[in-house]
Order: sequence, then C-alpha cells, then structure tokens
Amino acid sequence: AQSVSQHNHHVILSEAASLELGCNYSYGGTVNLFWYVQYPGQHLQLLLKYFSGDPLVKGIKGFEAEFIKSKFSFNLRKPSVQWSDTAEYFCALSTLVNFNKFYFGSGTKLNVKP
Amino acid sequence: SQTIHQWPATLVQPVGSPLSLECTVEGTSNPNLYWYRQAAGRGLQLLFYSVGIGQISSEVPQNLSASRPQDRQFILSSKKLLLSDSGFYLCAWSEASAVYEQYFGPGTRLTVT
Repeated sequence: AQSVSQHNHHVILSEAASLELGCNYSYGGTVNLFWYVQYPGQHLQLLLKYFSGDPLVKGIKGFEAEFIKSKFSFNLRKPSVQWSDTAEYFCALSTLVNFNKFYFGSGTKLNVKP
Repeated sequence: SQTIHQWPATLVQPVGSPLSLECTVEGTSNPNLYWYRQAAGRGLQLLFYSVGIGQISSEVPQNLSASRPQDRQFILSSKKLLLSDSGFYLCAWSEASAVYEQYFGPGTRLTVT
C-alpha cells in the first residue's frame, strides 16, 4: 500500500536559516507529489506539485522541491526562511492508478524564530 | 471563483449523540468531494470520497458515514459519537476531469465529551 513518511515532526529555525524538510514515499509506480502548507488559523493550501518533467519544482513563496525517484523522496527546501513561514507542512502523493486518493504524511511543524 | 464552506467551525458533542457536518462547494460543477480527519501528529486520513451524487467510497471502517445528496454538498454523519471521533475534520474538492490539486475547506473542530 502507498504511504508517505515525514520524519521531521517539529523543526525550529532562526530567520534566514536554510530549510529542508524530508518526505519519502513507498509506491512502485508513477506518482504525483505535493507539498501543502497550513498557516496558523488558515486553510490547508498547495505549496507546489510534481507530475512529470523537471524533477526540481518551484512553488510559491520561494519554496522548491526535488523529486528523486531512486530515493523515493520529494524533499522541500527554502534557502532562507522567514518568520512568516511558521506553519505545518504536509507531503502528499497520488497515483495514476487511483488519482482520486491523496495519501498524506504526518506533517512537520516549522517554527521560525524572529 | 470556487469556494468551499464547512460548518460548524467548532462543535462539542456528548458521547452517544448524533453528528452532522456539512460541506458545500460553489463555483464548480460535478466536483470530486472528500472528507479527511486530521489528528495531531498523524497527518490527514482520508475518510470518504465521492465522484458523484449518491456515490460514496469509504476508506476506513469506522463509526462515521457520508452522503452526497446534491452535486456540491457533502455530509459527514454519525448516529452515535464515540470519544475517539474527536478531531479536526476537513472537507476538500477537486476537479473531476483531472485531479491535479485538492482544495480544502476551513475545517470543523469536533470535541466529543
């Protein structure tokens, strides 16, 4: 069965530090990959997505993620975080076989200290 | 533009009482609709999804049920709530033709006492 793992449950950084949040998945076929973000008091919203093509995808607010198929990974990065990036981040996948189902990781809470 | 509504925003219910959470989508037709439960430290768990009126797929056996009486309305119900039903419930929708993204509602915080 498909699954998504986010091993960093809580990350604390100072402003201007670089960020990398890990996301690994288990599925042998073709996947679509997503990062969602939930800012305090706001809806869950899409940060970026990968379907095919360039494995390095750029999203909103300076975030990017790299799909490494051999490692089953889709890590999220940002070179310099801001206090406003404080939020919970969720990695998710869907498959071509069943694109209606999204499988989410357990989430990573990011706390950026000003 | 499309919007998704959920109500109520918060709910406190005693064990054994019934539940009805409602989700409606505006600005789109024939969307796919989803119910998730978000538990602290456990991410989002897909509970139900629907690709059309009256069509419900259940992902996990549980004390809850879902219905889709209208194209853009999705209801989550229970006849008798359990303590373990407490959580944050999210409704989401996606385009039916190509599920490139799911759009989430504001959620309902349910506390069963």
